[in-house]
Amino acid sequence: SAVISQKPSRDICQRGTSLTIQCQVDSQVTMMFWYRQQPGQSLTLIATANQGSEATYESGFVIDKFPISRPNLTFSTLTVSNMSPEDSSIYLCSVEDLAGGLTDTQYFGPGTRLTVL
Amino acid sequence: GQQLNQSPQSMFIQEGEDVSMNCTSSSIFNTWLWYKQDPGEGPVLLIALYKAGELTSNGRLTAQFGITRKDSFLNISASIPSDVGIYFCAGPSGNTPLVFGKGTRLSVIA
Repeated sequence: SAVISQKPSRDICQRGTSLTIQCQVDSQVTMMFWYRQQPGQSLTLIATANQGSEATYESGFVIDKFPISRPNLTFSTLTVSNMSPEDSSIYLCSVEDLAGGLTDTQYFGPGTRLTVL
Repeated sequence: GQQLNQSPQSMFIQEGEDVSMNCTSSSIFNTWLWYKQDPGEGPVLLIALYKAGELTSNGRLTAQFGITRKDSFLNISASIPSDVGIYFCAGPSGNTPLVFGKGTRLSVIA
């Protein structure tokens, strides 16, 4: 499976600021996704990062708060904008490579642990 | 997306014991995935199931895709301390690529 890295691995930020999280994959993949995992909770999909077009957001998540870029098949960024303490979570990037023949199967990066003061 | 119900929420077991956990849904799933998450890490895919009735093993782990397509179980045999972590089931639901259960937190007592 693809090797996925995220930067930063963790950060502590002040409320009202923004943080951009990077996700890099070591091979071209078809699909990239961003998830949020609030403390002690399960994973919730934020959006599907589409290459060359706007991301597809899940209910409850909006582009103004979580702008996403995907300039190519190996890289994506998620920005958490105008942060508040409620945004303190682990943010995870995942990939699905349809060319590998396994549909619906996602592999995750190590996550970015964000704390907002 | 559909909710996945995982049970138990947490387990405390002795090293060497076998473990069983399951995941149920009120609607049909076409794929069941089982992940393990260690503290401070991203989830790691353990087993993927794509066909009703499918039984798949990965070392000491065995998972089955229920015949009704509304459930799946994961068994761990002869548990060891490194099995500690949170186990999640997941599957595609409607237009949502993956929905996750709330997880089963496993603790192993040496």
